[in-house]
Amino acid sequence: EAGVTQFPSHSVIEKGQTVTLRCDPISGHDNLYWYRRVMGKEIKFLLHFVKESKQDESGMPNNRFLAERTGGTYSTLKVQPAELEDSGVYFCASSQDFEIYGYTFGSGTRLTVV
Amino acid sequence: ELKVEQNPLFLSMQEGKNYTIYCNYSTTSDRLYWYRQDPGKSLESLFVLLSNGAVKQEGRLMASLDTKARLSTLHITAAVHDLSATYFCAVEAQGGSEKLVFGKGTKLTVNP
Repeated sequence: EAGVTQFPSHSVIEKGQTVTLRCDPISGHDNLYWYRRVMGKEIKFLLHFVKESKQDESGMPNNRFLAERTGGTYSTLKVQPAELEDSGVYFCASSQDFEIYGYTFGSGTRLTVV
Repeated sequence: ELKVEQNPLFLSMQEGKNYTIYCNYSTTSDRLYWYRQDPGKSLESLFVLLSNGAVKQEGRLMASLDTKARLSTLHITAAVHDLSATYFCAVEAQGGSEKLVFGKGTKLTVNP
C-alpha cells in the first residue's frame, strides 16, 4: 500500500511569496492532519480534516495559512504571504482508526523562507 | 495545556549498551505514541500504548506506560548502529481529540 505522500520535499521561497504544499493520504483514510516543526522546537499540530471537513483547525498560526481538502482526498496547505518564521518542516499524516493505530506520517516538506 | 518532556534530548551510546529514554507529560492521558525518524524521512510509528501498565516490545526496543506517574519509557537493549535516529513520544491532547502533543525528540547516536 502506498504511504502518505507529500510534495514538494523541499521548497525555498522569498519572503512575501506564496507556497502551496500538497499531501496525498493513504487511500481510504478519512482523517488527514497537518503538523509542522519549526527549527529546534516541537512538532506542533496545525489542523485535522475528516473527509473534506475541518474537524479542528485550532493550531493554524494565523490567516496567512489556508488548508483545503476538496473531495476528501488530497489536501493542500497554502502559505500566503510567507514570512521568515514560517520556515520549518511541514508534516502530513493520515489515519483510518486513530485509536488503535495512531497516524501514518509523510516524509514532510522542508520549507525555507529567505 | 498539555506539555510533553523528553529526556535526554541527545544520547550518544556505544553498541551493546542499554539505555532508557524518558517521556513525561503534564496532564492525564491514556494514549501515548512513540515514533522514530531517520533524517529526511517520515515519522515511523513504533509503539501505541493505550492503557496504564501497557508494555510493548519490538526487537531491541521496549516501551512502557505508567499513566498514574504520567511517564513512558523507551528502553534500548544492546544497542546497534541501526537504531541511530530521533525518537519522539507524543500524547493525545485530550480524549477523542486525535490531536497529538509531541516531545522535542531524542536524537540517538549509536557508535560502533
